[in-house]
Amino acid sequence: KNEVEQSPQNLTAQEGEFITINCSYSVGISALHWLQQHPGGGIVSLFMLSSGKKKHGRLIATINIQEKHSSLHITASHPRDSAVYICAVSSLYVGATNKLIFGTGTLLAVQP
Amino acid sequence: SAVISQKPSRDICQRGTSLTIQCQVDSQVTMMFWYRQQPGQSLTLIATANQGSEATYESGFVIDKFPISRPNLTFSTLTVSNMSPEDSSIYLCSVERGRGVGGYTFGSGTRLTVV
Repeated sequence: KNEVEQSPQNLTAQEGEFITINCSYSVGISALHWLQQHPGGGIVSLFMLSSGKKKHGRLIATINIQEKHSSLHITASHPRDSAVYICAVSSLYVGATNKLIFGTGTLLAVQP
Repeated sequence: SAVISQKPSRDICQRGTSLTIQCQVDSQVTMMFWYRQQPGQSLTLIATANQGSEATYESGFVIDKFPISRPNLTFSTLTVSNMSPEDSSIYLCSVERGRGVGGYTFGSGTRLTVV
C-alpha cells in the first residue's frame, strides 16, 4: 500500500462544477503539499499546510491531522483547471528531512 | 520565492548516449532535489544535491548512472548516462522556497525520450 493515496485517479467534470480531490496518508508528516502539473510536465506548488484550511482564489485545501486526510476543492471549475493534481507529504522520519512522498496524482479534465 | 530555469525542456536521444539537464535558480539555495517521473507514475526522488559535497542518492539510483554536479548555490546538473528506453521520463529539479514562504518550487521539467 502506498504511503500517500489519492482519489479519484481520474475525474471529468463540466465547467462550473465543484470538484473535490482526496488524499490520505499513513506516515507522520510535518506538512502536506498540493501540486499542479500541466501537460508539459512543469509543476506548480498550490498549497503547503500542516493544519486547518487554506484558500487561494477558487482553490481550497483542508487537512485533518487526526484522520490523516486532506482534500483539495476547486469551486466554479474551468477548462484551464485541467491538469494532474498531486498530493505530497513531508515525512517526519528521522533522516528523511525535506523528503517528499508523492501520491500518484489525479488527472482532472474540465469540459466546457 | 525562487524561480528555476530548467533546460532542455525536451529531448529525443539515442540509446547509449548521455544527456545533461541543467537547473539554474535565481537565488542561493542549500539543497536541490532531482526527481524522475516515469510515464503514468508519480515523482520519485533521485538524489539531493548539496553545494560542496557529494549528492545523496536514493535507493535504486547510483552515481554512475545519474552523476550530479553542484558547483555553486544557484546551479546544478543531472546527467542521465548510457541511456536506454527505460530512462524515458520527465526529469525535474526542485528547491525549497524558504522558511518564510514554505513549500517547494519546481523546474519546468525535461521530457526525455530514448529511442
